Amino acid sequence: AQTVTQSQPEMSVQEAETVTLSCTYDTSESDYYLFWYKQPPSRQMILVIRQEAYKQQNATENRFSVNFQKAAKSFSLKISDSQLGDAAMYFCAYTPPSNQFYFGTGTSLTVIP
Amino acid sequence: EAQVTQNPRYLITVTGKKLTVTCSQNMNHEYMSWYRQDPGLGLRQIYYSMNVEVTDKGDVPEGYKVSRKEKRNFPLILESPSPNQTSLYFCASSTSGASYEQYFGPGTRLTVT
Repeated sequence: AQTVTQSQPEMSVQEAETVTLSCTYDTSESDYYLFWYKQPPSRQMILVIRQEAYKQQNATENRFSVNFQKAAKSFSLKISDSQLGDAAMYFCAYTPPSNQFYFGTGTSLTVIP
Repeated sequence: EAQVTQNPRYLITVTGKKLTVTCSQNMNHEYMSWYRQDPGLGLRQIYYSMNVEVTDKGDVPEGYKVSRKEKRNFPLILESPSPNQTSLYFCASSTSGASYEQYFGPGTRLTVT
């Protein structure tokens, strides 16, 4: 069974606009961490944002913010003021206390000039 | 410069010929992990290590071996590679567990014919 689900294989956004990438996960744990990683064409994996499950407040990093809905097991990423450099594959990820790590299948984001 | 290095970056080999992909980090990180990336499947964890001499299976450990004899090194061993192990492999490390930011190596593209 897929632990982390990204239902949007591809998304596109106009430069300077806002886009939201969806992610749901499955867990019976109460304490865990969620992440969004970015993989540009260079293939380098880069951390975008990290969320601790026990924190109610949604994490933000500059133009990137999340909508963390713990009861719904949903963790979406919002990118504001999209830039050409945001074009990449985005992976949602989850880790329970065991320290195993689970990625979703990714969403390919295209930014249209 | 703080980094995770992998060698080789590209490898073409034949079925059954043992190979090792090296991974080294210079950040004194406790946690190290191996992932494989396949189109449509995202990244999947192969093995991870919380510290020297401590390793655990990830989601897809079959056909792989690892060892952690030194803190900085975490080699991935394919004792009898098969074509279904053709993939892009990433090594990663973090301070003290998967709940922290992972720093990824540049990836190793392996082709088994």
